[in-house]
Amino acid sequence: DTAVSQTPKYLVTQMGNDKSIKCEQNLGHDTMYWYKQDSKKFLKIMFSYNNKELIINETVPNRFSPKSPDKAHLNLHINSLELGDSAVYFCASSRTAGHLGFETQYFGPGTRLLVL
Amino acid sequence: GIQVEQSPPDLILQEGANSTLRCNFSDSVNNLQWFHQNPWGQLINLFYIPSGTKQNGRLSATTVATERYSLLYISSSQTTDSGVYFCAVRLTFGEGTQLTVNP
Repeated sequence: DTAVSQTPKYLVTQMGNDKSIKCEQNLGHDTMYWYKQDSKKFLKIMFSYNNKELIINETVPNRFSPKSPDKAHLNLHINSLELGDSAVYFCASSRTAGHLGFETQYFGPGTRLLVL
Repeated sequence: GIQVEQSPPDLILQEGANSTLRCNFSDSVNNLQWFHQNPWGQLINLFYIPSGTKQNGRLSATTVATERYSLLYISSSQTTDSGVYFCAVRLTFGEGTQLTVNP
């Protein structure tokens, strides 16, 4: 019973390609997130959705486009992949956005993206 | 934005030793979490602790919100405690403490 799942776990692709990462949570949470972890293990928030609405959009190239078809899913589409996009992408969820103080976050297993 | 600083950046222990990890933050908080990232990359929730003290087995955490710091205590460390420990304040993560526990 995986609470937050991501697919695929590994993604190896060429520069210039377009790829998507999917995330699903079965916790009944309202709020979902995408984080990027670089090679030095720095974790940085990219996006957050609350009830399918975008509430956080950090300084991220517009090649990255999140989509939330429903509260349980948050997908990340990346256009024109670049070498610098190589990283581990984590999805997370929390019960609510806690009036933007946010609440306990639960993380998925991560998707390791390698752009060649 | 909020600044989150963790210390020490690296820590090497012998099995059975105790340790204290520190997280300083720049603003008042109503959300602070500690995570453990194991050697397989999985991020595991340890504590949600915006204030006060909590304990879970060999681990405990204390946050003093008025003084803007949090401490994570690991007692009787085991090799399975190895990994990176992150403090996160709202959505901002510190740089982590890399812990290695040797047998």
